[in-house]
Amino acid sequence: AQKITQTQPGMFVQEKEAVTLDCTYDTSDQSYGLFWYKQPSSGEMIFLIYQGSYDEQNATEGRYSLNFQKARKSANLVISASQLGDSAMYFCAMREGPKGAGGGADGLTFGKGTHLIIQP
Amino acid sequence: NAGVMQNPRHLVRRRGQEARLRCSPMKGHSHVYWYRQLPEEGLKFMVYLQKENIIDESGMPKERFSAEFPKEGPSILRIQQVVRGDSAAYFCASSPFRDIPNIQYFGAGTRLSVL
Repeated sequence: AQKITQTQPGMFVQEKEAVTLDCTYDTSDQSYGLFWYKQPSSGEMIFLIYQGSYDEQNATEGRYSLNFQKARKSANLVISASQLGDSAMYFCAMREGPKGAGGGADGLTFGKGTHLIIQP
Repeated sequence: NAGVMQNPRHLVRRRGQEARLRCSPMKGHSHVYWYRQLPEEGLKFMVYLQKENIIDESGMPKERFSAEFPKEGPSILRIQQVVRGDSAAYFCASSPFRDIPNIQYFGAGTRLSVL
């Protein structure tokens, strides 16, 4: 079973509109972390935002926010006021843990990504 | 404050040759992770290292692949006798801590092409 599911292979959005990128996850751990990364055409992986499973507030970082719905196991990324430079692949990832409890994992598990294209 | 440095950015090898990929973590980070990205795919975890120790290699292929993170110098991912299926982007990430949140910061990757 997929641990991270991103159901939108590609999205076209008009500049200045808000964008929601979907991510659902599957874990039986109580403690875990969720991440979003951006990969522009140049290829590097850029960390955007993090949400811990025990965090009560949705994470925000500038124009990025994470719509965390724990019961539904979803962690959607919201980009407000999209810009042409937001065009990129976006990956949702999860870290299960904690390691100290004898379980968890050290590596991140990534989804297949969403290719976002912002149109002028 | 330099980020994670990977070199080379691009590496071309013929089948049967060896590939050595280098990664210097961010300053102050002692935890290094290697990932592989096949075309049109997300990243897949390969190995996690601390200085002089391999902690978790659950994602490493059993043969031809090895990794090290010596006391001095960068972490090295070594692929012996490369085959066409090894063609991929290899990313290194580092973090300051092991436990959650464990935010991992990535380098720009090494694109390996096997002819």
